[in-house]
Parts: sequence; C-alpha cells; structure tokens
Amino acid sequence: DIQMTQSPPSLSASLGDKVTITCQASQNINKYIAWYQQKPGKAPGLLIHYTSTLVSGIPSRFSGSGSGRDYSFSISNVESEDIASYYCLQYDNSPRTFGGGTKLELK
Amino acid sequence: QIQLVQSGPELKKPGESLKISCKASGYTFTDYAMQWVKQAPGKGLQYMGWINTQTGKPTYADDFKERFVFSLETSASTAYLQINNLKNEDTATYFCARARNWAPFDYWGQGVMVTVSS
Repeated sequence: DIQMTQSPPSLSASLGDKVTITCQASQNINKYIAWYQQKPGKAPGLLIHYTSTLVSGIPSRFSGSGSGRDYSFSISNVESEDIASYYCLQYDNSPRTFGGGTKLELK
Repeated sequence: QIQLVQSGPELKKPGESLKISCKASGYTFTDYAMQWVKQAPGKGLQYMGWINTQTGKPTYADDFKERFVFSLETSASTAYLQINNLKNEDTATYFCARARNWAPFDYWGQGVMVTVSS
C-alpha cells in the first residue's frame, strides 16, 4: 500500500498569511493526488485534484503543485473561513490512502 | 443535484451488528464506484475500501477484511456498510463517497456516527 506522509500535523497562521502543507508518497503517484478541507462535524470537501486542478467554485487562493512522490498544497491570504483540517488523498493505486491530516488554526 | 444521503446515528453494544445505508441521487448509480471511509473521534480519515456498483464486487483495505461487508441494492441506488461483531474501536463516523477509477472522491455522504459502548 502507498503511504502518504503529510506534514505538519498542525499549523498556526494569522489572517492574510500564506501556509503550505506537504504530502510525500512512498512511491511515485503520477500526480494523482487530491486535497480536501474538512470542518468539524462535516464531510470532507474536494478542493484540488490531479495535483493542481482547482474544483469549480474554489477560491484561487488555494493551489497545489508537485510531481513524483512530493506534493504541496498552499493557501495564500488565509481567511477565517479556511480554519479547518486538510487531507491529501492519493488515487493512483488501490487501496487509496489519505495523509494523516493538518489542522489549521488561527494564531 | 447530486446527493449521497446516509442513515442516522447508531448506538450499539459490543458484539452486535449494524447496517448503514448510503442512498445516491442525481446521477446514474452504476457510473461510479462507492467508497467507504472511517473517521474515529478526533482522528484522520481512514480508507476502508470500495464496491463496484456494476458488478457488486467489494474490495476491502487490509484493516477491514474481517467483520466489514459492503453491499448494494442497485434498484434503490443504495450502498450499504455492515459491521459485524462490533468492537469499541469501531466507534467512529463512517462516510460513503463516490469515485470513478483514477478520480478523486468528489461527492460525500454526510456521515453516520456510530457509537459502540456497553
């Protein structure tokens, strides 16, 4: 199974900051990585797929990049509504696997 | 609009069984596989496996090969997750989500909170 190592587990940011989360796969996942946002008590919501493709309606302050084993997800100009947990998901291989998650908090 | 609507919260005792439903609407049910994801309280997302909605064949992740059963009622556009011989560590929220091959999970159910306690 592919392991997804996500870091950091938690992140403290001020409004307007840029934050970056990384996911490293245990093998090449050919850019088949998605990023999700989850707020307490809610289902995850898809933000980005295929490394950098933004889902329709998602603000452009969210972005993704990477290749091979190494991927990153960024939020520029953090807003209060971005306070949530974020997860990566690899969907190149079965079984699909999630990163451990990153909890974004306000400083 | 596309929706996955799951059944309500469950409170069970260790050793009991339960069956959670996930009813799809707004799309052709058999065009997408149904995925299942577990989230223990305060923890991250854990992939459980998926069921092929065209053939009914389930595939389980390693941690879910015992006691967990995925099934379908295709005529009702509904997928089911059954958990047998419940244990305290099954206490979690269980999500269904749809996905095609080489595609992410794009729509999710609202989740079912399962509590196992004596």
